[in-house]
Amino acid sequence: TQLLEQSPQFLSIQEGENLTVYCNSSSVFSSLQWYRQEPGEGPVLLVTVVTGGEVKKLKRLTFQFGDARKDSSLHITAAQPGDTGLYLCAGAENFGNEKLTFGTGTRLTIIP
Amino acid sequence: DAGVTQSPTHLIKTRGQQVTLRCSPKSGHDTVSWYQQALGQGPQFIFQYYEEEERQRGNFPDRFSGHQFPNYSSELNVNALLLGDSALYLCASSSSKWVRDEQYFGPGTRLTVT
Repeated sequence: TQLLEQSPQFLSIQEGENLTVYCNSSSVFSSLQWYRQEPGEGPVLLVTVVTGGEVKKLKRLTFQFGDARKDSSLHITAAQPGDTGLYLCAGAENFGNEKLTFGTGTRLTIIP
Repeated sequence: DAGVTQSPTHLIKTRGQQVTLRCSPKSGHDTVSWYQQALGQGPQFIFQYYEEEERQRGNFPDRFSGHQFPNYSSELNVNALLLGDSALYLCASSSSKWVRDEQYFGPGTRLTVT
């Protein structure tokens, strides 16, 4: 069973600050996704990365897939209260083996 | 366009009982996956249904079973409930059998086993 460890588990910062969330595994993933989940709702997909070293930007969010496809990071610039939520990374094991393994989650709180 | 819907929203059961959770996928989607999310944890994959068959299964016992109907809706059944089955059960649908393609999640069913 492949495991995804996220760090930090909890993060509380002031509005306007920058932050980075990490997602690490000892296993290789064919693709990796980042989701945000708010209370009472299901996770919502933010991005999918498939190539080692790939960087994708979504407004103030920057996602990077590690060169070896074992880790990923999410960087938020100038955090806003609307960024508050549970951030989850999720990896697909092998192409054709369609099980999605979710990370342990990072609960982010942005203080106005 | 309705997204993924799940019913019921909340459910309280007693140990040993059986429960059925329901999911209607987003319009145009034919693949449904079920996940269990314990409090403070990330979701864990239970199984995926495509063309009315179970395609993939996670590390869950046979007490967890499912079904997909011709209209692509799906049910998750859990028999002989244990206290540890208390969790948020999420349904996700997609138009692709590949998980790297976007899945849309429902709001979940909160199951409490007492």
